[in-house]
Amino acid sequence: NAGVTQTPKFRILKIGQSMTLQCTQDMNHNYMYWYRQDPGMGLKLIYYSVGAGITDKGEVPNGYNVSRSTTEDFPLRLELAAPSQTSVYFCASSKQGFGSGANVLTFGAGSRLTVL
Amino acid sequence: QQPVQSPQAVILREGEDAVINCSSSKALYSVHWYRQKHGEAPVFLMILLKGGEQKGHEKISASFNEKKQQSSLYLTASQLSYSGTYFCGTESYNTDKLIFGTGTRLQVFP
Repeated sequence: NAGVTQTPKFRILKIGQSMTLQCTQDMNHNYMYWYRQDPGMGLKLIYYSVGAGITDKGEVPNGYNVSRSTTEDFPLRLELAAPSQTSVYFCASSKQGFGSGANVLTFGAGSRLTVL
Repeated sequence: QQPVQSPQAVILREGEDAVINCSSSKALYSVHWYRQKHGEAPVFLMILLKGGEQKGHEKISASFNEKKQQSSLYLTASQLSYSGTYFCGTESYNTDKLIFGTGTRLQVFP
C-alpha cells in the first residue's frame, strides 16, 4: 500500500506564481488534511475535508485553496505565491474524524516549497 | 489556541529518562502524540482520551489530566531510536480540528 502520496517533493516558485500540490491516498479514508511546517516550528492546519465535496478552513487558510472531488485526492492550490509561504507542506488522512477518539493521522512524506 | 510544550529541547544519554509536557488553555477531549525524525513525516504514537488513562508504546507512555488540560509523555530507558521531535496535538470540545504544539526536540547520544 502506498498510503498518502504527495507530489512534488521539492519546488521553487517565484513570487506571484501559482501552483498545486497534489495529495492522494489509497486507504479509502474520508478525512484529509493539509498542514504546513515552518523551520523549527510545529504543524499548522491549513484546510481539511471530511469527505468528497466538503472542505473547511483550518488555522492558516489565507493564500490557499482546496477542492475534494474524489475520496482519494485532496489538492492544495497556492495562488500568487509569497515568501511567507516558504514551508514544508504535509498532507494527511484519517479513517475516523475528530471527536471519535480514533482519528489517527497518516502523513505523506511532505512537499518542500521555496518562494523566491 | 496552540498547546504549549516543555521543554523545547532535551539531550539524553542512552538509558536515561525524560518527560515532555503539553499544556492547553482549552478544555480538551483528547491528546495525541506524534514523533518526527529529521526530514521525515510525523508518525503517530498514541491517543489519550479524557479519563486520565495512560497508554504505552515501546517504553514510551503518557498520561492525560483533563482537569488540568495537561498531558505528559514519559520516555524511559531511552534508546538512540527515540531521537526526533515530539509533538502533542489537542482536540477541544465542539471543534473539529487537531491543533499541534511547537514540538520538543529530543536527542539521545550513546
